[in-house]
Amino acid sequence: GENVEQHPSTLSVQEGDSAVIKCTYSDSASNYFPWYKQELGKRPQLIIDIRSNVGEKKDQRIAVTLNKTAKHFSLHITETQPEDSAVYFCAAILNNAGNMLTFGGGTRLMVKP
Amino acid sequence: DAGITQSPRHKVTETGTPVTLRCHQTENHRYMYWYRQDPGHGLRLIHYSYGVKDTDKGEVSDGYSVSRSKTEDFLLTLESATSSQTSVYFCAISSGLAGGTYEQYFGPGTRLTVT
Repeated sequence: GENVEQHPSTLSVQEGDSAVIKCTYSDSASNYFPWYKQELGKRPQLIIDIRSNVGEKKDQRIAVTLNKTAKHFSLHITETQPEDSAVYFCAAILNNAGNMLTFGGGTRLMVKP
Repeated sequence: DAGITQSPRHKVTETGTPVTLRCHQTENHRYMYWYRQDPGHGLRLIHYSYGVKDTDKGEVSDGYSVSRSKTEDFLLTLESATSSQTSVYFCAISSGLAGGTYEQYFGPGTRLTVT
């Protein structure tokens, strides 16, 4: 099966700075990599995703990069704001009938005003 | 938020009692999933369904069973609850359309405490 590792587990940045969260995956057949944001007491929300045929994707202040050779992908948040404070999860999916996601352990991002 | 509801939202039960959690969707999505979330373990898949009456095990399925008799409903049952099953349970759905639509959307969660 797939194994996803996520680093760092906690990240503290100053408002306006950039934040980067990194994930590695084990199965080279994985082909879809979403990122979720979870605020305290809320459900995980899909914020951006990338497929294995794309190297980078941007959506306003967030971007995701994928390096298939090294089997790692990263979330980049620029111009961080206090409302970006949350736990972020990466995940990977194998192209199988169940579309099962394997999640990383999460990163708690704290943006200090 | 996608049309997903979970019931109950909070439940306290005693060890050894059966518990059923319900996930209901209005999106007519093919795939439904049950995850548990625990500190230090992130989100782990318990069971999933790829159609009515079609289910399969996930990473942490021991002690859990599921049923899906209608497209819109996916039930998770703890036959005899244990304290180790104290957790937050999330349901998720995915359309699974041809061409590889993989996005999963989560329900609001159920906080279960087993005393």
